[in-house]
Amino acid sequence: NAGVTQTPKFQVLKTGQSMTLQCAQDMNHEYMSWYRQDPGMGLRLIHYSVGAGITDQGEVPNGYNVSRSTTEDFPLRLLSAAPSQTSVYFCASRGGLGEDTQYFGPGTRLTVL
Amino acid sequence: SQQGEEDPQALSIQEGENATMNCSYKTSINNLQWYRQNSGRGLVHLILIRSNEREKHSGRLRVTLDTSKKSSSLLITASRAADTASYFCATDANSGAGSYQLTFGKGTKLSVIP
Repeated sequence: NAGVTQTPKFQVLKTGQSMTLQCAQDMNHEYMSWYRQDPGMGLRLIHYSVGAGITDQGEVPNGYNVSRSTTEDFPLRLLSAAPSQTSVYFCASRGGLGEDTQYFGPGTRLTVL
Repeated sequence: SQQGEEDPQALSIQEGENATMNCSYKTSINNLQWYRQNSGRGLVHLILIRSNEREKHSGRLRVTLDTSKKSSSLLITASRAADTASYFCATDANSGAGSYQLTFGKGTKLSVIP
């Protein structure tokens, strides 16, 4: 199993540009999440999904959209990038109810100029 | 808002010594988990302790949980240079299906000097 994969690994955007961060998992996990990690702030939850077609907001959802059309994929969209969105983004998945361990992808380092 | 707060923020020890990190949290939890993050990498799950457990072991790791004090500690015994990483506690405050949020602390940066 590849586990949780994320693309791209690095990205530089200009303010106002849009892009999609890709996340995929091959473990048939129900739950998927997106976090951002900023220096000194730990990880903060952006959006999460408990199954295909179901998404919900986390702690810091503004400026981001998600969708979950399949079990495997959970893309994160930045509609109009801002410098405040410069961060490292992690996707994670877990099996579902009773499956408490989260598996993380390697991260995407995003810089918005 | 951050649920867990790790202490200390940074810790430097000699190889072979034990490392202890602490985590405090604010609300009732279902379980508490510890993760490791090597520089520039994703997080890796280390160990989980449920709210009805007081102590758990996994290899050189020992985790304790005191729900009355809302605190947990992670002990790494006989540390190795490869243990150099940041360590995060994360709390799961939900006990059922539906809404699920794992809340992370800010981490302890551990440096093990060979």
